Formats: sequence, structure tokens, C-alpha cells
Amino acid sequence: ETGVTQSPTHLIKTRGQQVTLRCSSQSGHNTVSWYQQALGQGPQFIFQYYREEENGRGNFPPRFSGLQFPNYSSELNVNALELDDSALYLCASSAQTGGLVETQYFGPGTRLLVL
Amino acid sequence: AQSVTQPDIHITVSEGASLELRCNYSYGATPYLFWYVQSPGQGLQLLLKYFSGDTLVQGIKGFEAEFKRSQSSFNLRKPSVHWSDAAEYFCAVVNTGNQFYFGTGTSLTVIP
Repeated sequence: ETGVTQSPTHLIKTRGQQVTLRCSSQSGHNTVSWYQQALGQGPQFIFQYYREEENGRGNFPPRFSGLQFPNYSSELNVNALELDDSALYLCASSAQTGGLVETQYFGPGTRLLVL
Repeated sequence: AQSVTQPDIHITVSEGASLELRCNYSYGATPYLFWYVQSPGQGLQLLLKYFSGDTLVQGIKGFEAEFKRSQSSFNLRKPSVHWSDAAEYFCAVVNTGNQFYFGTGTSLTVIP
């Protein structure tokens, strides 16, 4: 158990809808990263939040957006859902200190199905 | 740009046999390297990591990995595989922005 929790565990949406996924960081962690893992693929970096600011973004369109709250929990929002957005969405938290690389601890993921 | 290649999509080994999973990375500076394991329907669990120092890294569950700069590799090994090791294994390289770049994974099947 990493202490990182995600909700919901599963979600079904239809094309064009919007979805919000939630992540609660491990205690003491100030950084949250989100990843998309399509079936049979490795996780792909979406973006990272450090102290409530976006701190890096992968190759994902603007309809993928996020928030980090003062308690370091986070949301991933996806607008105008497409079929290809069907995937496991993973949240990972870490304790960033001075820009050093830190181990990321992953939650169990939210499985999103877009019909 | 950083990237990771895991050449073996799927590996089958007998229980008790040794295991080596390959990982090759591309990164311009000193790499930070990780191995994670994912059981079906689960998140990723950290097995081990390499930041610097000793190139042979010990991890949990009896796994180890060796960093070889000359070969741009970070292969994962285990001397004797257990049936519970069946899972998906991911290698990752991390940039200085703490952004992880994963390979496509190697699926391990363990046969009795």
C-alpha cells in the first residue's frame, strides 16, 4: 500500500462528455503526476503539479487539465471525451525537494471507458 | 529526448528458473532509472531504483538490476522466480523535472 488513493475505481462515459478523476497523495508528498495507460501500453506522462502549479506537461491536448489543492490532493479533468481516452489513469505522488528526482508512488488507478 | 525500450513484450519462465528482463534507455545526462511491477488491475509498485553509486542495485522481492552506462541498459534480474512474480514489469527513466518515461512493459508468465 502506497497511501495514494484514487476515485472512482471505474467509470463509464460517452463521447463528448466531461470527466473528473481524483487523487489523494501520500502524506507528506507535495507533488502529483498523472499518467494515462492504454491497454497493453506503458504509462504515458500527462502532467505534474507541484505546490498547486503545473510543473511539466506531456504530449496531451489542452482538453486534459488538472488542479492541485492546498492539501496536495489533485484532480484530472478531461473534456470532450473521445473513444481513445479509454484507459487506466494513474496518479503518482512524490516529495519534491529542491528539484531533485524523487521516487513516485502510484495509486491503484481509475479505469475509464468511453463509449 | 528521453525514452525507454523494453525489447521483450512477453517472457515465459519456469518456476525456480532465473529471470532477466531487458531495459534500454536513451537519455542525454546521468539517468535516473526505476523498475516497477504491475499486477492485473493494480497500480505500479516500486521494485528498485538507480540514482548513482553502485551499479548493482538490490530491490524488493529478491530482484536486482545492473546499470551499464556503456550499453545504456538497466536489466532486471532474479535468480529464482516464484509463481507470484507473474505480472507486468515496467522500466522507467526520469528527467530532472521528475517526469517519468516508461517503456511498454514486459509481461511475465511463470509456469509450474
